[in-house]
Amino acid sequence: QKEVEQNSGPLSVPEGAIASLNCTYSDRGSQSFFWYRQYSGKSPELIMSIYSNGDKEDGRFTAQLNKASQYVSLLIRDSQPSDSATYLCAVGGGSQGNLIFGKGTKLSVKP
Amino acid sequence: NAGVTQTPKFRILKIGQSMTLQCTQDMNHNYMYWYRQDPGMGLKLIYYSVGAGITDKGEVPNGYNVSRSTTEDFPLRLELAAPSQTSVYFCASTLGPGQGAEKLFFGSGTQLSVL
Repeated sequence: QKEVEQNSGPLSVPEGAIASLNCTYSDRGSQSFFWYRQYSGKSPELIMSIYSNGDKEDGRFTAQLNKASQYVSLLIRDSQPSDSATYLCAVGGGSQGNLIFGKGTKLSVKP
Repeated sequence: NAGVTQTPKFRILKIGQSMTLQCTQDMNHNYMYWYRQDPGMGLKLIYYSVGAGITDKGEVPNGYNVSRSTTEDFPLRLELAAPSQTSVYFCASTLGPGQGAEKLFFGSGTQLSVL
């Protein structure tokens, strides 16, 4: 059974701080990694994808991947109250094109 | 560009009733999926399809059925609704396996309550 683990939180950070979200996965053969943001009552939206070891930056977001440790993280710099949401880590690489999702980490950014 | 469209947005069912959740996409994606999301939980795969005429079970298929007669449409059928099926249902689509192609596009979701 392929699993994706995340701390459920809530993770609370002050406005302007760096938020660090972590995720581990069980399938060493996984090749695709995604972070989705989900506001309450809304559908998930993709914010980052990463496929190679190292860092990938997009604006205030940085995704980090370490395949040897089976670890993915998301850093949000200069956190804003509008970043308050649940962040879902998802792992792909299966033949069905399906993604395996973690339970999500709830982030709260306090003004 | 509509993307993935789900209907209805909300529905209340009585135990034992049946209903169909509709899903259609206009991106010509071959791969389509139905997920359910319970409070505080991640997304669990119910059924998926890799193309018209082809469907397969996911992690939690019991109590559901699907069909895929066209590339665009992937309805989810609930037969004999039970309280355990109270959940938020998301339809999603993607180009398919492979780097860059696995990005999931989600519909807006259906909040279903079975009482």
